[in-house]
Amino acid sequence: DAGVTQSPTHLIKTRGQQVTLRCSPKSGHDTVSWYQQALGQGPQFIFQYYEEEERQRGNFPDRFSGHQFPNYSSELNVNALLLGDSALYLCASRWGRDTEAFFGQGTRLTVV
Amino acid sequence: GENVEQHPSTLSVQEGDSAVIKCTYSDSASNYFPWYKQELGKGPQLIIDIRSNVGEKKDQRIAVTLNKTAKHFSLHITETQPEDSAVYFCAAFRNNNDMRFGAGTRLTVKP
Repeated sequence: DAGVTQSPTHLIKTRGQQVTLRCSPKSGHDTVSWYQQALGQGPQFIFQYYEEEERQRGNFPDRFSGHQFPNYSSELNVNALLLGDSALYLCASRWGRDTEAFFGQGTRLTVV
Repeated sequence: GENVEQHPSTLSVQEGDSAVIKCTYSDSASNYFPWYKQELGKGPQLIIDIRSNVGEKKDQRIAVTLNKTAKHFSLHITETQPEDSAVYFCAAFRNNNDMRFGAGTRLTVKP
């Protein structure tokens, strides 16, 4: 049983560009949450998707948007990239409102 | 919103000693408290969790305690081993919300 998988593992983008990160949840999970983890800090909640809708959102600007597909996989999109967007982006999945969440290995985004 | 504070930020112990990491939370409605271990270059891995209706939970060398009145919870690792070296994060979760994490504790176990 594959756990949570994220792609790509590493990415380098230029300021002002747009990026799309992808996440496949653990088998049987239908809820996907995205987090941003800056170097040396804890993960910060971006948003959560359930039944293809954004259910909750953290304190992130509208440049951060997402999508969930019928197969429960998800994408995180970031527009107009800033240097400060450089971070490890983590995806976590869970089943419904059950609280146990499992994380992927993350996508390391570097904005230059 | 929820605010989670974690201490200490770094912790160094000798192999075989115990390690304790403490967290406090602000939202009294939080009802689930997981602990994650993150090794270099990897995503966080759930190691133990506790729900608000339980005061203590143990899994081999790892235990977590929760004091709802004081709004704090702690991770206890006994008989530490070098492979326990990692960054540990506490988190607090509330229904209809998502997890809020502490800033992390870098644990080093010296052989």
